[in-house]
Amino acid sequence: KNEVEQSPQNLTAQEGEFITINCSYSVGISALHWLQQHPGGGIVSLFMLSSGKKKHGRLIATINIQEKHSSLHITASHPRDSAVYICAVRLYGATNKLIFGTGTLLAVQP
Amino acid sequence: DTAVSQTPKYLVTQMGNDKSIKCEQNLGHDTMYWYKQDSKKFLKIMFSYNNKELIINETVPNRFSPKSPDKAHLNLHINSLELGDSAVYFCASSPTKRGGPSYEQYFGPGTRLTVT
Repeated sequence: KNEVEQSPQNLTAQEGEFITINCSYSVGISALHWLQQHPGGGIVSLFMLSSGKKKHGRLIATINIQEKHSSLHITASHPRDSAVYICAVRLYGATNKLIFGTGTLLAVQP
Repeated sequence: DTAVSQTPKYLVTQMGNDKSIKCEQNLGHDTMYWYKQDSKKFLKIMFSYNNKELIINETVPNRFSPKSPDKAHLNLHINSLELGDSAVYFCASSPTKRGGPSYEQYFGPGTRLTVT
Protein backbone atom coordinates (compact mmCIF):
# COMPACT_ATOMS: atom_id res chain seq x y z
CA LYS A 1 0.00 0.00 0.00
CA ASN A 2 1.38 3.37 -1.02
CA GLU A 3 2.15 5.75 1.82
CA VAL A 4 0.29 8.48 -0.09
CA GLU A 5 -3.14 7.72 -1.47
CA GLN A 6 -5.20 9.94 -3.73
CA SER A 7 -8.84 9.78 -4.66
CA PRO A 8 -10.41 9.68 -7.08
CA GLN A 9 -7.94 8.25 -9.60
CA ASN A 10 -9.99 9.63 -12.48
CA LEU A 11 -12.45 12.49 -12.47
CA THR A 12 -14.59 13.90 -15.25
CA ALA A 13 -16.39 17.17 -14.63
CA GLN A 14 -18.45 19.68 -16.56
CA GLU A 15 -17.13 23.17 -17.01
CA GLY A 16 -18.07 25.33 -14.05
CA GLU A 17 -18.29 22.52 -11.52
CA PHE A 18 -16.60 22.59 -8.12
CA ILE A 19 -13.94 19.90 -7.93
CA THR A 20 -12.33 18.21 -4.94
CA ILE A 21 -9.34 15.90 -5.03
CA ASN A 22 -8.31 14.14 -1.83
CA CYS A 23 -4.97 13.00 -0.49
CA SER A 24 -4.35 10.83 2.57
CA TYR A 25 -0.97 9.83 3.92
CA SER A 26 0.25 7.42 6.56
CA VAL A 27 3.66 8.84 7.49
CA GLY A 28 4.94 11.77 9.52
CA ILE A 29 5.45 14.76 7.28
CA SER A 30 6.87 18.24 7.42
CA ALA A 31 5.06 19.51 4.33
CA LEU A 32 2.66 18.50 1.59
CA HIS A 33 2.86 19.53 -2.05
CA TRP A 34 0.23 19.67 -4.74
CA LEU A 35 1.58 19.44 -8.28
CA GLN A 36 -0.04 19.74 -11.69
CA GLN A 37 1.11 17.82 -14.73
CA HIS A 38 -0.35 18.93 -18.05
CA PRO A 39 -0.87 16.60 -21.00
CA GLY A 40 2.34 18.00 -22.49
CA GLY A 41 4.20 16.47 -19.55
CA GLY A 42 5.51 19.49 -17.66
CA ILE A 43 5.13 19.52 -13.86
CA VAL A 44 4.24 22.67 -11.98
CA SER A 45 4.12 23.15 -8.25
CA LEU A 46 0.73 24.52 -7.18
CA PHE A 47 1.01 24.61 -3.41
CA MET A 48 3.32 23.68 -0.59
CA LEU A 49 1.65 23.68 2.81
CA SER A 50 2.27 22.42 6.30
CA SER A 51 -0.90 23.64 7.99
CA GLY A 52 -4.21 25.31 7.34
CA LYS A 53 -5.25 26.54 3.95
CA LYS A 54 -3.81 28.30 0.91
CA LYS A 55 -5.59 29.93 -2.01
CA HIS A 56 -4.33 30.88 -5.43
CA GLY A 57 -6.87 32.10 -7.92
CA ARG A 58 -9.51 29.38 -8.33
CA LEU A 59 -7.41 26.81 -6.49
CA ILE A 60 -7.64 26.12 -2.76
CA ALA A 61 -5.56 23.62 -0.80
CA THR A 62 -6.25 22.54 2.75
CA ILE A 63 -4.46 20.22 5.11
CA ASN A 64 -5.47 18.56 8.38
CA ILE A 65 -2.31 17.34 10.05
CA GLN A 66 -4.14 15.40 12.79
CA GLU A 67 -6.22 13.49 10.26
CA LYS A 68 -3.30 13.18 7.79
CA HIS A 69 -5.46 14.44 4.98
CA SER A 70 -5.33 17.18 2.38
CA SER A 71 -7.75 18.37 -0.26
CA LEU A 72 -7.31 20.34 -3.44
CA HIS A 73 -10.36 22.27 -4.58
CA ILE A 74 -10.94 23.90 -7.95
CA THR A 75 -13.77 26.39 -8.17
CA ALA A 76 -15.52 27.24 -11.48
CA SER A 77 -13.56 24.53 -13.30
CA HIS A 78 -12.47 25.13 -16.88
CA PRO A 79 -11.25 22.77 -19.65
CA ARG A 80 -7.75 24.22 -19.23
CA ASP A 81 -7.73 22.71 -15.71
CA SER A 82 -7.60 19.27 -17.34
CA ALA A 83 -4.40 17.68 -16.08
CA VAL A 84 -3.02 15.13 -13.64
CA TYR A 85 -2.93 16.45 -10.08
CA ILE A 86 -0.32 14.88 -7.85
CA CYS A 87 -0.04 14.99 -4.08
CA ALA A 88 3.42 14.57 -2.56
CA VAL A 89 4.61 14.63 1.04
CA ARG A 90 7.97 15.61 2.45
CA LEU A 91 8.95 13.13 5.13
CA TYR A 92 9.63 14.50 8.56
CA GLY A 93 13.37 14.45 9.19
CA ALA A 94 16.62 15.68 7.82
CA THR A 95 16.24 14.81 4.16
CA ASN A 96 14.16 16.53 1.53
CA LYS A 97 12.63 13.31 0.23
CA LEU A 98 9.21 13.55 -1.40
CA ILE A 99 6.85 10.58 -1.63
CA PHE A 100 4.25 10.89 -4.34
CA GLY A 101 0.66 9.82 -4.71
CA THR A 102 -0.46 8.06 -7.87
CA GLY A 103 -2.13 11.15 -9.23
CA THR A 104 -5.68 12.12 -10.18
CA LEU A 105 -6.49 12.50 -13.85
CA LEU A 106 -8.97 15.35 -14.23
CA ALA A 107 -10.88 16.00 -17.44
CA VAL A 108 -13.09 19.08 -17.56
CA GLN A 109 -15.51 19.01 -20.43
CA PRO A 110 -16.91 22.18 -22.02
CA ASP B 1 14.26 32.72 -18.88
CA THR B 2 14.37 28.98 -18.33
CA ALA B 3 14.49 28.12 -14.63
CA VAL B 4 15.29 24.40 -14.76
CA SER B 5 16.43 23.01 -18.08
CA GLN B 6 17.18 19.47 -19.17
CA THR B 7 18.87 18.07 -22.23
CA PRO B 8 17.99 16.19 -24.25
CA LYS B 9 14.19 16.30 -24.25
CA TYR B 10 13.97 12.97 -26.04
CA LEU B 11 16.49 10.15 -26.04
CA VAL B 12 16.11 6.95 -28.00
CA THR B 13 18.86 4.39 -27.63
CA GLN B 14 19.55 0.70 -27.74
CA MET B 15 20.00 -1.70 -24.87
CA GLY B 16 23.52 -1.84 -23.52
CA ASN B 17 24.41 1.73 -24.44
CA ASP B 18 25.59 4.38 -21.97
CA LYS B 19 23.84 7.76 -21.97
CA SER B 20 23.75 10.98 -19.97
CA ILE B 21 21.03 13.49 -19.19
CA LYS B 22 22.01 17.00 -18.16
CA CYS B 23 20.20 19.38 -15.85
CA GLU B 24 20.88 23.02 -15.05
CA GLN B 25 19.05 25.49 -12.84
CA ASN B 26 19.55 29.26 -12.81
CA LEU B 27 17.49 29.89 -9.69
CA GLY B 28 20.35 29.84 -7.22
CA HIS B 29 18.80 26.89 -5.38
CA ASP B 30 20.73 24.71 -2.95
CA THR B 31 19.11 21.37 -3.70
CA MET B 32 18.58 19.43 -6.91
CA TYR B 33 16.76 16.19 -7.55
CA TRP B 34 16.30 13.43 -10.10
CA TYR B 35 12.91 11.75 -10.36
CA LYS B 36 11.74 8.85 -12.52
CA GLN B 37 8.18 8.73 -13.85
CA ASP B 38 7.13 5.30 -15.06
CA SER B 39 4.58 4.36 -17.70
CA LYS B 40 1.78 4.66 -15.13
CA LYS B 41 2.82 8.26 -14.44
CA PHE B 42 4.06 7.36 -10.95
CA LEU B 43 6.87 9.62 -9.77
CA LYS B 44 9.67 8.39 -7.56
CA ILE B 45 12.76 10.09 -6.15
CA MET B 46 16.07 8.73 -7.34
CA PHE B 47 18.71 11.12 -6.05
CA SER B 48 19.05 14.45 -4.34
CA TYR B 49 22.07 16.72 -3.98
CA ASN B 50 22.41 19.60 -1.55
CA ASN B 51 25.31 21.94 -2.38
CA LYS B 52 27.00 19.21 -4.40
CA GLU B 53 26.61 16.67 -1.57
CA LEU B 54 24.56 13.52 -2.19
CA ILE B 55 21.82 13.42 0.46
CA ILE B 56 19.25 11.06 -1.02
CA ASN B 57 20.17 7.87 -2.83
CA GLU B 58 17.15 5.64 -3.22
CA THR B 59 17.20 2.01 -4.19
CA VAL B 60 18.45 2.63 -7.69
CA PRO B 61 20.67 0.24 -9.69
CA ASN B 62 24.29 1.32 -9.55
CA ARG B 63 24.17 1.67 -13.33
CA PHE B 64 22.71 5.08 -12.51
CA SER B 65 25.29 7.59 -11.34
CA PRO B 66 24.49 11.22 -10.60
CA LYS B 67 27.16 13.88 -10.80
CA SER B 68 26.97 17.43 -9.52
CA PRO B 69 29.91 19.49 -10.78
CA ASP B 70 28.52 22.59 -9.09
CA LYS B 71 25.40 23.75 -7.28
CA ALA B 72 23.65 24.67 -10.53
CA HIS B 73 24.14 21.39 -12.35
CA LEU B 74 23.08 17.81 -11.71
CA ASN B 75 23.70 15.25 -14.41
CA LEU B 76 22.54 11.66 -14.61
CA HIS B 77 24.66 9.03 -16.29
CA ILE B 78 23.20 5.63 -17.05
CA ASN B 79 25.37 2.66 -17.98
CA SER B 80 24.31 -0.49 -19.80
CA LEU B 81 20.79 0.70 -20.48
CA GLU B 82 17.96 -1.80 -20.10
CA LEU B 83 14.42 -1.90 -21.46
CA GLY B 84 13.07 -1.19 -17.97
CA ASP B 85 14.92 2.10 -17.86
CA SER B 86 12.45 3.55 -20.37
CA ALA B 87 10.67 6.34 -18.54
CA VAL B 88 10.50 10.08 -18.24
CA TYR B 89 13.24 11.51 -16.02
CA PHE B 90 12.59 14.83 -14.31
CA CYS B 91 15.15 17.10 -12.75
CA ALA B 92 13.99 19.54 -10.07
CA SER B 93 15.46 22.12 -7.74
CA SER B 94 14.44 23.89 -4.57
CA PRO B 95 15.91 26.36 -2.08
CA THR B 96 15.46 23.72 0.62
CA LYS B 97 18.44 23.23 2.86
CA ARG B 98 19.10 19.91 4.53
CA GLY B 99 16.97 19.73 7.66
CA GLY B 100 15.58 23.17 6.97
CA PRO B 101 12.04 24.29 6.15
CA SER B 102 10.32 23.06 3.05
CA TYR B 103 10.04 25.03 -0.16
CA GLU B 104 8.37 24.43 -3.46
CA GLN B 105 10.23 22.45 -6.06
CA TYR B 106 10.73 23.64 -9.60
CA PHE B 107 10.72 20.92 -12.24
CA GLY B 108 12.50 20.68 -15.54
CA PRO B 109 10.56 19.74 -18.69
CA GLY B 110 11.55 16.08 -18.44
CA THR B 111 13.60 13.75 -20.64
CA ARG B 112 11.71 10.93 -22.28
CA LEU B 113 14.11 7.98 -22.49
CA THR B 114 13.19 5.08 -24.76
CA VAL B 115 15.38 2.00 -24.72
CA THR B 116 14.89 -0.36 -27.65
